[in-house]
Amino acid sequence: SSELTQDPAVSVALGQTVRITCQGDGLRMYYAGWYQQKPGQAPLLVIYGKNYRPSGIPERFSGSSSGNTASLTITGAQAEDEADYFCNSRDNNLNQVVFGGGTKLTVL
Amino acid sequence: EVQLVESGGGLIQPGGSLRLSCAASGFTVSGSYMSWVRQAPGKGLEWVSAIHNGNDTFYADFAKGRFTISKDNSKNTLFLQMNNLRADDTAVYYCARDQWVFYSGWYEYYFDYWGQGTLVTVSS
Repeated sequence: SSELTQDPAVSVALGQTVRITCQGDGLRMYYAGWYQQKPGQAPLLVIYGKNYRPSGIPERFSGSSSGNTASLTITGAQAEDEADYFCNSRDNNLNQVVFGGGTKLTVL
Repeated sequence: EVQLVESGGGLIQPGGSLRLSCAASGFTVSGSYMSWVRQAPGKGLEWVSAIHNGNDTFYADFAKGRFTISKDNSKNTLFLQMNNLRADDTAVYYCARDQWVFYSGWYEYYFDYWGQGTLVTVSS
């Protein structure tokens, strides 16, 4: 299956660490891309590849992968990190790109 | 500076057609992979279609036979022709630049730049 599964919602206390996960068979050969989306805004790439951050993305964002699960970790979550987070991969057999359903992160 | 600016969205009746445009600057679409991604109101991201080098095009199942992706290298612009539109096509449509990499036994596929989106509303 090319589907990617994410928890619908996760919460974290201000300054604490939170991990957002993404599961799918495609992640056994693809590193996930991770996107942050705030209300009314376009998605923003925050992590790609093994663990790379685009210019301007804070160091508190990191990525990892194990088996069929990719993880986005925010170490020391800030209020401005409250957003929806999406992962993506690709299905080489179907030649299609897939997104996870998204995780709504609440910073308490 | 890389910029993507979509246009062409609007209100259209079911069964109608619409052509979306995405004007790129700061890079050339001719040398890039490009995609359309949509987001229905209150929902998640959904990939629609991609165009790679030359004439290689790819579509989500719901888009096959109804949508056509293309690009005009002379205008540095990406297009999405949408025909036989349905109510469930209502969404914000984003264009994005794709990156597809393979190295050390692993693939990467991600979207490094996105436009601001254009809203398509299919309703009578």
